[in-house]
Amino acid sequence: GENVEQHPSTLSVQEGDSAVIKCTYSDSASNYFPWYKQELGKGPQLIIDIRSNVGEKKDQRIAVTLNKTAKHFSLHITETQPEDSAVYFCAASKGTGRRALTFGSGTRLQVQP
Amino acid sequence: SQTIHQWPATLVQPVGSPLSLECTVEGTSNPNLYWYRQAAGRGLQLLFYSVGIGQISSEVPQNLSASRPQDRQFILSSKKLLLSDSGFYLCAYTTGASGNTIYFGEGSWLTVV
Repeated sequence: GENVEQHPSTLSVQEGDSAVIKCTYSDSASNYFPWYKQELGKGPQLIIDIRSNVGEKKDQRIAVTLNKTAKHFSLHITETQPEDSAVYFCAASKGTGRRALTFGSGTRLQVQP
Repeated sequence: SQTIHQWPATLVQPVGSPLSLECTVEGTSNPNLYWYRQAAGRGLQLLFYSVGIGQISSEVPQNLSASRPQDRQFILSSKKLLLSDSGFYLCAYTTGASGNTIYFGEGSWLTVV
């Protein structure tokens, strides 16, 4: 089955700096790669996603890049703010039901004011 | 619009007691439904998924069971809780329109004492 590895497990940055979280996946058939943000005590919320026919996608201060050949994708957050502090999960999928998302282990991002 | 409701939000149960967590989805029909568990500070583990009424697939053998008595209702149960059942339980769904984008509920904190 699919295996998703996520690094780093914790990341501390100064407010205004950029943050980068990286994930690798094992199944070359995976074609959908979402990123979730989870605040303490809440369910994960989808913040951005990318499909395999696209190399990069941006939404204001966040962007995701995908390298299908190398089977890795990354989340980039620019101009970080304290409210960006949370746990971020990457995931990979090639369908629904049994082929539900396989999640990375999460990255705890702390933005220091 | 689609919404997902999950309850109770928190509960403390003694070892050996039963459990029932309930989840409902509104604004869509025939969703795929999922139960995930998240141990403290850990990643997301898929427990059960359902593609229709009465159809349940288990991903991990354990002390828990799931049922789907109605199209948009998903229940997580246990007859006798173990200490190791403690964790954060998340209900989630996908729809035909959302493809393999999963949306999560707010979660239920279970502490077994």
